Amino acid sequence: DAGVIQSPRHEVTEMGQEVTLRCKPISGHNSLFWYRQTMMRGLELLIYFNNNVPIDDSGMPEDRFSAKMPNASFSTLKIQPSEPRDSAVYFCASRLTVNTEAFFGQGTRLTVV
Amino acid sequence: AQSVTQPDIHITVSEGASLELRCNYSYGATPYLFWYVQSPGQGLQLLLKYFSGDTLVQGIKGFEAEFKRSQSSFNLRKPSVHWSDAAEYFCAVGVGNEKLTFGTGTRLTIIP
Repeated sequence: DAGVIQSPRHEVTEMGQEVTLRCKPISGHNSLFWYRQTMMRGLELLIYFNNNVPIDDSGMPEDRFSAKMPNASFSTLKIQPSEPRDSAVYFCASRLTVNTEAFFGQGTRLTVV
Repeated sequence: AQSVTQPDIHITVSEGASLELRCNYSYGATPYLFWYVQSPGQGLQLLLKYFSGDTLVQGIKGFEAEFKRSQSSFNLRKPSVHWSDAAEYFCAVGVGNEKLTFGTGTRLTIIP
């Protein structure tokens, strides 16, 4: 398996633009997580899904952020409109079932100018 | 809600010296515990995990960790560090259908 695949690896966008980050979890995995990592705040959980259903989105910073998981093999994290303070590395991770370890993608480095 | 504390933000050790990174968790029951390592520009890689059974668990790259229920700790150890161990280390906790919660990380620097 190729592991968790995230795209793009790097994204530079202007303030106010819409940004869509994509994630393909490991095949057969039932849980998917979106994390954001910054120097100031460390690794923050934004949202996680079990069996494509959002379980906890309390970490989503505000209404500008939304996440979807239309099927077991694909998820998106959208920011609209983007702001400079959204600049961070966004990680997607998946796990086989609850109570198993999570596998991380390489991350998307987002820069909003 | 569960929480994880890594009290050391940054640790510097000499190559060949032993290492211990601290991790304390807060949860009402026995959680599932993990240590991950992150090299610059990379994602997080699992070093080891504890679910149940033997409280001393072995991981990759010569790392081990010991679960101590009485101290709510899951410290990571390595008897002799190598320059390639320089990275950021994260402790994480998860139980049942709950989210994985990560500590703030400990940055490890290795000096020759």
